[in-house]
Amino acid sequence: SQQGEEDPQALSIQEGENATMNCSYKTSINNLQWYRQNSGRGLVHLILIRSNEREKHSGRLRVTLDTSKKSSSLLITASRAADTASYFCATDASGGSYIPTFGRGTSLIVHP
Amino acid sequence: NAGVTQTPKFQVLKTGQSMTLQCAQDMNHEYMSWYRQDPGMGLRLIHYSVGAGITDQGEVPNGYNVSRSTTEDFPLRLLSAAPSQTSVYFCASSPDRKTAEAFFGQGTRLTVV
Repeated sequence: SQQGEEDPQALSIQEGENATMNCSYKTSINNLQWYRQNSGRGLVHLILIRSNEREKHSGRLRVTLDTSKKSSSLLITASRAADTASYFCATDASGGSYIPTFGRGTSLIVHP
Repeated sequence: NAGVTQTPKFQVLKTGQSMTLQCAQDMNHEYMSWYRQDPGMGLRLIHYSVGAGITDQGEVPNGYNVSRSTTEDFPLRLLSAAPSQTSVYFCASSPDRKTAEAFFGQGTRLTVV
């Protein structure tokens, strides 16, 4: 079964608004990553947060990790139409292979 | 720098046919993996390799074989194609366990009729 689950499944916002996506997972992890997928393309890595970190920033992206709740959130600030894509969280279980396993993703639409 | 290259980009197979999806990376990465992506299911791990000569099964390995004879190449073989294997297949690589970021190919869209 899949380790991570994103919420919501779909999100529709206006340009300039913030977008927040959440990820919950089942077992202890080494790392949690967020990826982006444009329609019909491969996934592109956005940001990685390690299990001993609580928050990380990269440009307009902010990721938080709460290991006690087994959850993470991805915040995209001041969204742009070009941010329209699917976003996936990926985890690798502690003591495992370090190969990421993915959730079903959140489909984000940003209206100009 | 080509990164991860998958071939072919599109393929149509008849039920029962076999074929090999190719994946090559030029970044000297230890870890390579194959995923399938189906609508509403996200990406599911089929097989993975943590180094040349080492492979292991993921979540959905049935009907697929892999081998890793070189660091660069990680082909995925469909033994006897079934309509349930219609999907988009992605190959990914990552440097090692400390550098977990995965680099993805552009995918192979496979239809089995």
